[in-house]
Amino acid sequence: QKEVEQNSGPLSVPEGAIASLNCTYSDRGSQSFFWYRQYSGKSPELIMFIYSNGDKEDGRFTAQLNKASQYVSLLIRDSQPSDSATYLCAVNKNTGRRALTFGSGTRLQVQP
Amino acid sequence: GAGVSQSPRYKVTKRGQDVALRCDPISGHVSLYWYRQALGQGPEFLTYFNYEAQQDKSGLPNDRFSAERPEGSISTLTIQRTEQRDSAMYRCASSPTGGGNTGELFFGEGSRLTVL
Repeated sequence: QKEVEQNSGPLSVPEGAIASLNCTYSDRGSQSFFWYRQYSGKSPELIMFIYSNGDKEDGRFTAQLNKASQYVSLLIRDSQPSDSATYLCAVNKNTGRRALTFGSGTRLQVQP
Repeated sequence: GAGVSQSPRYKVTKRGQDVALRCDPISGHVSLYWYRQALGQGPEFLTYFNYEAQQDKSGLPNDRFSAERPEGSISTLTIQRTEQRDSAMYRCASSPTGGGNTGELFFGEGSRLTVL
């Protein structure tokens, strides 16, 4: 079982719709959760992080965390073609390995 | 510099040769990470440093891979006796805080290694 699992996609949504990206993780010791965006041919960039159960909103982005279900998601409201990218979920355990473990990413396509 | 700088951006080498990949982190950043990313995959952790100390090298695939950061700034990832399976994008990232648990990693543009 991979430590961080994501559906590879592509996830295709029309412009203006809500895109929902999901991620599960295997280690219950995971403490911090991150979403990175990676445009084709570019390096990953952090867009959101969440530490506590519940929702965290930042502009058009909402991260949701459910530690009991070992599940984290990212919602993108009013999706734009410029949101088309690969979204990487990453987790950190805060103990032991103090470096992020990334999922393989979900490719999002926003259709104009 | 303004961002994380990696060199060379592209490296083509023959199997069996040694390669050295360089990373110059954002000035003042405490932590430095090396990741490897295959096409269509997420970054895979290799090793990380706090200042000059290598805190975790558990992701290095085998003893042909090594890394150093002797003065707590620039880091070099060295791959000895390269093999075709080493072909990948090697990404360096830095973070302003130690411990590696903030998650805000600033990635460089990567060094694409091709082993023929």
